[in-house]
Amino acid sequence: GQQLNQSPQSMFIQEGEDVSMNCTSSSIFNTWLWYKQEPGEGPVLLIALYKAGELTSNGRLTAQFGITRKDSFLNISASIPSDVGIYFCAAAYSGAGSYQLTFGKGTKLSVIP
Amino acid sequence: SAVISQKPSRDICQRGTSLTIQCQVDSQVTMMFWYRQQPGQSLTLIATANQGSEATYESGFVIDKFPISRPNLTFSTLTVSNMSPEDSSIYLCSVESAPGTEAFFGQGTRLTVV
Repeated sequence: GQQLNQSPQSMFIQEGEDVSMNCTSSSIFNTWLWYKQEPGEGPVLLIALYKAGELTSNGRLTAQFGITRKDSFLNISASIPSDVGIYFCAAAYSGAGSYQLTFGKGTKLSVIP
Repeated sequence: SAVISQKPSRDICQRGTSLTIQCQVDSQVTMMFWYRQQPGQSLTLIATANQGSEATYESGFVIDKFPISRPNLTFSTLTVSNMSPEDSSIYLCSVESAPGTEAFFGQGTRLTVV
């Protein structure tokens, strides 16, 4: 089946630092999504990408849909304590009426004040 | 975006019993999805629930263990049957805003089986 390789698995950073995480796959996708999950909550959508090469920002977050359609990255600039959580990439290939999200294993972000 | 309410938010259940999880959406949606998230793990799709037809289950999940109902376009239930400690997980309901677009999640049901 399709697999997403998300890295790093975890990160410890100082408040104010920039963060970068990425997902890669051997499969082609036409949708890339980035989610954040906090304890006791469901994943919350941060950014959605639908076009190869697309670069989209949401406040301090920026994500890109790789040109090859096999990867995506998420950057967080000037991290703050509330950025703590687990970030998941997800990707889908929708065709012939089918659509199924595949999730990465997550990047656990810890921010040191 | 859709607002999704799940009930219960958490439960502790005895092994051998069953728990039904409810998912209510604030708008009509064609497809609803049920996921399982084991402790410290990523999300795994259990099944896709379409209104008016039987749910479609992913490999490793069967209807007898995880029966699903989808009586209308805003509601679905997932039952975890004959529970064992291995069923302890977070169960999440999800909907798409439109086919092939972003998915939104409920807050999840944290199930502990003792």
